[in-house]
Amino acid sequence: QQQVKQSPQSLIVQKGGISIINCAYENTAFDYFPWYQQFPGKGPALLIAIRPDVSEKKEGRFTISFNKSAKQFSLHIMDSQPGDSATYFCAASYTGRRALTFGSGTRLQVQP
Amino acid sequence: GAGVSQSPSNKVTEKGKDVELRCDPISGHTALYWYRQSLGQGLEFLIYFQGNSAPDKSGLPSDRFSAERTGGSVSTLTIQRTQQEDSAVYLCASSHNANSNQPQHFGDGTRLSIL
Repeated sequence: QQQVKQSPQSLIVQKGGISIINCAYENTAFDYFPWYQQFPGKGPALLIAIRPDVSEKKEGRFTISFNKSAKQFSLHIMDSQPGDSATYFCAASYTGRRALTFGSGTRLQVQP
Repeated sequence: GAGVSQSPSNKVTEKGKDVELRCDPISGHTALYWYRQSLGQGLEFLIYFQGNSAPDKSGLPSDRFSAERTGGSVSTLTIQRTQQEDSAVYLCASSHNANSNQPQHFGDGTRLSIL
């Protein structure tokens, strides 16, 4: 029940296209859903996060869509750029246990 | 420094040896977390500290793993009698506290290789 399932495992997008990464969870106690971006040899960096009381959050080219009833959330990267090429992780946590449960990651490659 | 600092950045050791990994959190952050990232996989929670409370050790994979946090700041993760399956990147993160949705800031990790 602690698991967060992430798909796809890898994604190739053309420059200027939209990248979409999906995550699903089972534990309804989760109340915080961050996305992290990780470049090779570096630690993950927080990209954007959402709470279940909103259905969408946008920050620049990055948008999280959240569907509480389906227990799914997704990251959309608009106007994808080669510099966005990285591994993306969704995660979740809940009040009382702030350790993050991570998805398995999506390796994004944006082709110029 | 401004970010989470981890040392060493790389560690190679022989099977059966003990290793110590160090984490310096962001100044003022009371919550500190350790995660493990195996090759090509996601991040696995190991342990977290929040202020003076007892640590949450629920993610430690065996009793060979332990961690301390001295003075509410620096933390050391110790792995005794290392095994080849312990090879991974060990990541440390810190946040203002663990009682609300404060973002966790990660260091660049220690890459541990067990020969």
